[in-house]
Amino acid sequence: SQQGEEDPQALSIQEGENATMNCSYKTSINNLQWYRQNSGRGLVHLILIRSNEREKHSGRLRVTLDTSKKSSSLLITASRAADTASYFCATHNFNKFYFGSGTKLNVKP
Amino acid sequence: GAVVSQHPSWVICKSGTSVKIECRSLDFQATTMFWYRQFPKQSLMLMATSNEGSKATYEQGVEKDKFLINHASLTLSTLTVTSAHPEDSSFYICSARITDRAKNIQYFGAGTRLSVL
Repeated sequence: SQQGEEDPQALSIQEGENATMNCSYKTSINNLQWYRQNSGRGLVHLILIRSNEREKHSGRLRVTLDTSKKSSSLLITASRAADTASYFCATHNFNKFYFGSGTKLNVKP
Repeated sequence: GAVVSQHPSWVICKSGTSVKIECRSLDFQATTMFWYRQFPKQSLMLMATSNEGSKATYEQGVEKDKFLINHASLTLSTLTVTSAHPEDSSFYICSARITDRAKNIQYFGAGTRLSVL
């Protein structure tokens, strides 16, 4: 990808379980954002974490950022079947956004 | 919330024809819009940054004569794929950033699936 990698590439869990996906990036950033994409659709913004923040919460989402390791993680707690989608991290730097390779999450009912 | 409309959602065309894709910000002004390309099961690749009233900035490896971008107003950017060929078949997605720079969040269109026969 233009910016970094995400792992795992694919994740399959049962409804109610937690899902954790990780993102690594290459350059310095202003902020890092997580997006969700349903199959064949555009992206929906989930959460933004600034470079001077270490953790952020939004509903069932928890994002961490470690700028020393150039990595971030997204935790979805108590997953639902409707959470099935691809999740991308995106870094913002110098007025551009670059996306990670994405994690395809499948939540089985 | 901010809404970005992208049209058409799906287009099939013959090889050699040109295809225009529109991206509109419906309830906000966007001085900057972005065009991405996404291959199946892959991430979004930034193609170009569209700036209202000025020339687009293309990423390395993207042919500006092949992918013409026009951003004539604060709510509309267009991407024209000229002389399309089968290898141009892909999913194209636009996004717009709210002019308030404190809100560095992109709002995405639903994407356009281009199939070139």
